[in-house]
Amino acid sequence: QQQVKQSPQSLIVQKGGISIINCAYENTAFDYFPWYQQFPGKGPALLIAIRPDVSEKKEGRFTISFNKSAKQFSLHIMDSQPGDSATYFCAAPGKLIFGTGTRLQVFP
Amino acid sequence: NAGVTQTPKFQVLKTGQSMTLQCAQDMNHEYMSWYRQDPGMGLRLIHYSVGAGITDQGEVPNGYNVSRSTTEDFPLRLLSAAPSQTSVYFCASTRGESSPLHFGNGTRLTVT
Repeated sequence: QQQVKQSPQSLIVQKGGISIINCAYENTAFDYFPWYQQFPGKGPALLIAIRPDVSEKKEGRFTISFNKSAKQFSLHIMDSQPGDSATYFCAAPGKLIFGTGTRLQVFP
Repeated sequence: NAGVTQTPKFQVLKTGQSMTLQCAQDMNHEYMSWYRQDPGMGLRLIHYSVGAGITDQGEVPNGYNVSRSTTEDFPLRLLSAAPSQTSVYFCASTRGESSPLHFGNGTRLTVT
């Protein structure tokens, strides 16, 4: 089975700080690298995704960066807010396998 | 547009009982999948389907059965519930491998 390794498992950030979550994957044969956000009591929802023809994609305070040679992609949350407190998952490109999740807590 | 609908939202079973978790999507997605979510374990794939009549096993298929007779529906069956199956179950659908997954809001199952 395709594996993804996500780190860190948990993250505590002060309001206004930068949150960084990393995902390492094995298979390079696919073209879609997503991050999902999950709030308590809800199902995960797509936050941002990137295709490997670009190395970075920014949507508001959220940036996804892709390093093909290192087989890694990362999520950066700039100016982190308490409302960003959630669990974040990366998914194996082209597969239905998820990382183990990162619980982000942003304190005022 | 309802998206992915899961029923029931909550369920309590006794060990050995059977039940079916329902999942329906109205987006005409070919791919559907079931996950269980346990603390510290993330989302683990149970079974998935790439189209009507086609199903396959995921990471943790034991104790669960699925079928896909229509594009819209993908029920998950527990034939003989065990306490180890206490979890939150999510159903998801997508157009394909390079498209986002759409999740339901989950079913919280407790087996006593």
